[in-house]
Amino acid sequence: SAVISQKPSRDICQRGTSLTIQCQVDSQVTMMFWYRQQPGQSLTLIATANQGSEATYESGFVIDKFPISRPNLTFSTLTVSNMSPEDSSIYLCSGLRDRETEAFFGQGTRLTVV
Amino acid sequence: QQPVQSPQAVILREGEDAVINCSSSKALYSVHWYRQKHGEAPVFLMILLKGGEQKGHDKISASFNEKKQQSSLYLTASQLSYSGTYFCGTGRMDSSYKLIFGSGTRLLVRP
Repeated sequence: SAVISQKPSRDICQRGTSLTIQCQVDSQVTMMFWYRQQPGQSLTLIATANQGSEATYESGFVIDKFPISRPNLTFSTLTVSNMSPEDSSIYLCSGLRDRETEAFFGQGTRLTVV
Repeated sequence: QQPVQSPQAVILREGEDAVINCSSSKALYSVHWYRQKHGEAPVFLMILLKGGEQKGHDKISASFNEKKQQSSLYLTASQLSYSGTYFCGTGRMDSSYKLIFGSGTRLLVRP
């Protein structure tokens, strides 16, 4: 399986500011996804990061709030914009080589907004 | 729509067995199973691709009933290391492929 380096691992941010989370994969992957996970809860899909085009967002998530970039097959960023305390959560990126293989994850970014 | 897992939580004595179920309201391309320990990323257990497929390694196995859009994870002779939260991930083909995770099942194995 591949390895995803995700950073930062944690951050404490002021409300109204933005944070960009980066994920670097050690090999090319076809698909990359971004998830949010509240403590003790499941992983909620935010969006699919599409290489070279706009991300595909799930219901309840919008590009203005969570802009995503994926310039190539090994790198993606998620920005949490104009943060509020409700954005405090763990954010995870994942990658898949194809539809018939496992998803592997970055170690997550624990975000606290104060 | 999120797949539903049952039970929500289970407590076992070491050596006991457990079954975790995952049910989807949408047609599935694949079912993944992951275990997550507190403060860590999910760890892949197995993937099932075909209706009726069954897989297993060591004392953990799973089945996939494509027609019923259901999957089950079987944990036999549980060990302390099995403790954690188990998630099914359902691979679906909407406009494109996406992986949606279930509600989770918390498993605690006691000595």
